[in-house]
Amino acid sequence: GENVEQHPSTLSVQEGDSAVIKCTYSDSASNYFPWYKQELGKRPQLIIDIRSNVGEKKDQRIAVTLNKTAKHFSLHITETQPEDSAVYFCAASGADKLIFGTGTRLQVFP
Amino acid sequence: NAGVTQTPKFQVLKTGQSMTLQCAQDMNHNSMYWYRQDPGMGLRLIYYSASEGTTDKGEVPNGYNVSRLNKREFSLRLESAAPSQTSVYFCASSELGGGRARFGGVSGELFFGEGSRLTVL
Repeated sequence: GENVEQHPSTLSVQEGDSAVIKCTYSDSASNYFPWYKQELGKRPQLIIDIRSNVGEKKDQRIAVTLNKTAKHFSLHITETQPEDSAVYFCAASGADKLIFGTGTRLQVFP
Repeated sequence: NAGVTQTPKFQVLKTGQSMTLQCAQDMNHNSMYWYRQDPGMGLRLIYYSASEGTTDKGEVPNGYNVSRLNKREFSLRLESAAPSQTSVYFCASSELGGGRARFGGVSGELFFGEGSRLTVL
């Protein structure tokens, strides 16, 4: 079945710097790769997603890139702000279910 | 519009006790899921129901059973709770339907409930 690996597990950046989180997946048939943000004590919420027919997608300060050949995808956050502090999860669709990575705790220091 | 509602929010059990976590969604979604979240382990899929009348095992199904009662409701049962089942449980739903490329077609967004914190002593 699908296996998703996520790195790093923790990431600390200064406000205004960029943050990059990387994920790899195992199932070459996976075709959907979302990213979820979970603030402390809250439920995970979708922030951006990408489908396998697209190499890059942007939404304001966040962007996701996908390399199907290498089976990896990344989340890029530019001009980080303290409210970006949260746990971020990548995921990949294996058949009819979504398999998540282990999460990255991002801390943005003022 | 409540979205996805889970009950109870908190529960403490003794080893060997049984309990059922309830989940209901009011978005007319086809698919429903149960995940557990443990520190450093991310969100792991326990069971899912791709459509009403079907259920399938996820990554960590041992010790759990599920029932897709109707299109709205999907319950998770612990028959004999163990300390290893101490976790935060999230129910989620999506409008996806059948087919291999389902996540690539209609919206693949998962809508999560608020979570249920379960402690097994």
